[in-house]
Amino acid sequence: EAAVTQSPRSKVAVTGGKVTLSCHQTNNHDYMYWYRQDTGHGLRLIHYSYVADSTEKGDIPDGYKASRPSQENFSLILELASLSQTAVYFCASSDRLGGDAEQFFGPGTRLTVL
Amino acid sequence: AQSVTQPDARVTVSEGASLQLRCKYSYFGTPYLFWYVQYPRQGLQLLLKYYPGDPVVQGVNGFEAEFSKSNSSFHLRKASVHWSDWAVYFCAVKGNMGYKLTFGTGTSLLVDP
Repeated sequence: EAAVTQSPRSKVAVTGGKVTLSCHQTNNHDYMYWYRQDTGHGLRLIHYSYVADSTEKGDIPDGYKASRPSQENFSLILELASLSQTAVYFCASSDRLGGDAEQFFGPGTRLTVL
Repeated sequence: AQSVTQPDARVTVSEGASLQLRCKYSYFGTPYLFWYVQYPRQGLQLLLKYYPGDPVVQGVNGFEAEFSKSNSSFHLRKASVHWSDWAVYFCAVKGNMGYKLTFGTGTSLLVDP
């Protein structure tokens, strides 16, 4: 069974503070993704990675950085958190690219920026 | 650009009744289509996926979906809804060579006992 875990599960941050969201997968997958979920927008891709020490921008990368120190770990970093970054963040992994490649999702992190 | 439209933000059905959740996609080329379910306070779980081939796809827990190229649709169906189906359902599209999974805005399914 594929396993993607995220920490913390919820967090309250202050505006202007630094936030790091962590993701760990035991699937031995090369590809990892960060999405954010907002009411009325579904999930949108922030960053993704296909190999350790390399990250790529997704559709909405502004205000976010990503780090992939190992195959298993993928972090999302908000250097200066803003109110607009209040959302639920999901990490996912897949073993390959391509249309039929399934992405396995973690349970999500609920971030509230005050 | 690829996109997905789920026109119904919320659907309410009685337990035991049939269900259809609508999904319209836009993609230039051969689409790969997915339905995910999100139970309260959980991540997304795959219900079913469509690859080019048989237009009717069977998924878990009695769900199925039908792909229509002419209508650009991928509607989800279930013959008899159970209370445990209460969740949010997302439709998503991806291209053959792509990594990018584009989601719709989701449909919340409420089940009346």
